[in-house]
Amino acid sequence: NAGVTQTPKFRVLKTGQSMTLLCAQDMNHEYMYWYRQDPGMGLRLIHYSVGEGTTAKGEVPDGYNVSRLKKQNFLLGLESAAPSQTSVYFCASREGAAGDKNIQYFGAGTRLSVL
Amino acid sequence: DAKTTQPTSMDCAEGRAANLPCNHSTISGNEYVYWYRQIHSQGPQYIIHGLKNNETNEMASLIITEDRKSSTLILPHATLRDTAVYYCIVRSYYGQNFVFGPGTRLSVLP
Repeated sequence: NAGVTQTPKFRVLKTGQSMTLLCAQDMNHEYMYWYRQDPGMGLRLIHYSVGEGTTAKGEVPDGYNVSRLKKQNFLLGLESAAPSQTSVYFCASREGAAGDKNIQYFGAGTRLSVL
Repeated sequence: DAKTTQPTSMDCAEGRAANLPCNHSTISGNEYVYWYRQIHSQGPQYIIHGLKNNETNEMASLIITEDRKSSTLILPHATLRDTAVYYCIVRSYYGQNFVFGPGTRLSVLP
């Protein structure tokens, strides 16, 4: 059982380039999330999805787009990368809406540098 | 979701119990307390959660005060592999996301 898998693990971009980060989960979870973590700071929510075909903005959505065409996959896109988007990106998923099913499981992260 | 306050850093001797405090004085009745940890920039790892009763699992124990305004995560026999940043998070029953503050950096010393 792989859990939450993120690809790629590392990437270096030049300013203005575009790329897509892929998150895949094999736990049949409804909810999926994208976070970013800057050095010495906690995680900040970028976008999230409460089910296939749905997406919503989080705390820091500007400069990012997402898609959830399949339940198991959640894609994060950068259309025109900027140095301020240099960060570590984490994907997470969780099973259900409330209470004891409200536990998020995280991937290993994608380290992105924008030069 | 209620805001939490944690010490910036703590040290613990290997083999001893590590007690990590968290203050959440504005917690409301339907908010749970969750603990996660992050080992050296890996993805955060779930540890334990609770509402008002004390909880224990194979990783840790969670002690919540009777007024629910603070809690303590206890690692009963800390090892070097427990060195990590520990996050205390309070969120509502239907909360959508976790708000991760800076957490407590726990160093387990040999």
